[in-house]
Amino acid sequence: EVQLVESGGDLVQPGGSLRLSCAASGYSFNNYWMHWVRQAPGKGLVWVSRLNEDGTITSYADSVKGRFTISRDNAKNTLYLQMNSLRAEDTAVYYCARDIGGVGSLWGQGTLVTVSS
Amino acid sequence: DIVMTQSPLSLPVTPGEPASISCRATQSLLHSNGHHFFDWYLQKPGQSPQLLIYWGSNRAPGVPDRFSGSGSGTDFTLKISRVEAEDVGVYYCMQALQTPYTFGQGTKLEIK
Repeated sequence: EVQLVESGGDLVQPGGSLRLSCAASGYSFNNYWMHWVRQAPGKGLVWVSRLNEDGTITSYADSVKGRFTISRDNAKNTLYLQMNSLRAEDTAVYYCARDIGGVGSLWGQGTLVTVSS
Repeated sequence: DIVMTQSPLSLPVTPGEPASISCRATQSLLHSNGHHFFDWYLQKPGQSPQLLIYWGSNRAPGVPDRFSGSGSGTDFTLKISRVEAEDVGVYYCMQALQTPYTFGQGTKLEIK
């Protein structure tokens, strides 16, 4: 089965760090760009970051630039999002997604990150 | 950044009736390869978003043919020919022409 499964979401204090993971299965992981998209409670979708197939090209939303780092391990079929200096406004469900903007678009079920003291 | 504006934001529809959602971008979404980098997504209650339409007018695999997308440049429309109960949720338009990718505010479709 083709799927993406996120993990790593948790309750963290402001200023803290967290690393999200996204395990891909059922397809050739290293053939696709990967993305992180987040959704604050009751709000809309916001694109966060993207990474190309071999991990050499990254892009970030201005709101997370310098604090978040996207990476991948193609040998483990896993995408990561390292989140540092977390703020209350980073509270959201984080989705990993494959090939946004193309026919191969696929989203995971999401993992909840809560930033609160 | 490209701003995406959807209308309406709320859409009550009687089953069997048609429905239409519009989305406007602040700049053309036409790529040099001839495709519009514009998608429609549906987020059903409690679920992650699912792709309905890509490149403005192409139905994603498995999407019922009652869904259709049209438009060009900056203006796009999603049409549902006959709404069914399973179509409830929030519909989002999205541009993937340039980063940051941006979404519309979402249109909540509910059954009357």
